[in-house]
Amino acid sequence: AQKITQTQPGMFVQEKEAVTLDCTYDTSDPSYGLFWYKQPSSGEMIFLIYQGSYDQQNATEGRYSLNFQKARKSANLVISASQLGDSAMYFCAMREGQNNDMRFGAGTRLTVKP
Amino acid sequence: GAGVSQSPRYKVAKRGQDVALRCDPISGHVSLFWYQQALGQGPEFLTYFQNEAQLDKSGLPSDRFFAERPEGSVSTLKIQRTQQEDSAVYLCASSLARQGLAKNIQYFGAGTRLSVL
Repeated sequence: AQKITQTQPGMFVQEKEAVTLDCTYDTSDPSYGLFWYKQPSSGEMIFLIYQGSYDQQNATEGRYSLNFQKARKSANLVISASQLGDSAMYFCAMREGQNNDMRFGAGTRLTVKP
Repeated sequence: GAGVSQSPRYKVAKRGQDVALRCDPISGHVSLFWYQQALGQGPEFLTYFQNEAQLDKSGLPSDRFFAERPEGSVSTLKIQRTQQEDSAVYLCASSLARQGLAKNIQYFGAGTRLSVL
């Protein structure tokens, strides 16, 4: 069964605008971590932001913030003040409990327009 | 080194050849992971090492896939008798702590793109 769902294959945003990338997840484990990674054309997966299932507040890292809605099982990434360099694939991922593996969604390709 | 380093960046193999992919994790990182990323998809877990011990190999797709980390640092992913369906990007990641901790960020290399002809 699909654990991580990213419903937006591609998104466009105007430079300097904010954009939200959607992510929903499925788990019955009360302890889990949610991650967002950026993958530019160079191929490297770059860690952006983390949210723990027990964290009381939404995570923020610079221009990145996570809109965590636990009851809805969603963890949307918000990028504020988009820059041309933000154009890349974005992956949502989850690690459950004591598991070793991280499950990834199919990704969203973000294109920032000048 | 500053980040996770993988070599080669690109590998072309004829069907039936054996290949070896190398991963140099961040110095001092205990945990090391291998993932396979097919075109247009997210990475999928292959295997996990804690130091030199391979604790999880549940994601390896067949017994043609073999990974090792003999001294607890550099790791090699070996694929024997490659087939066309093995064509993918192979990503290596490392993390500072052992798994099981809630926040244990995995840092990735740029991957090796394997093309099997």
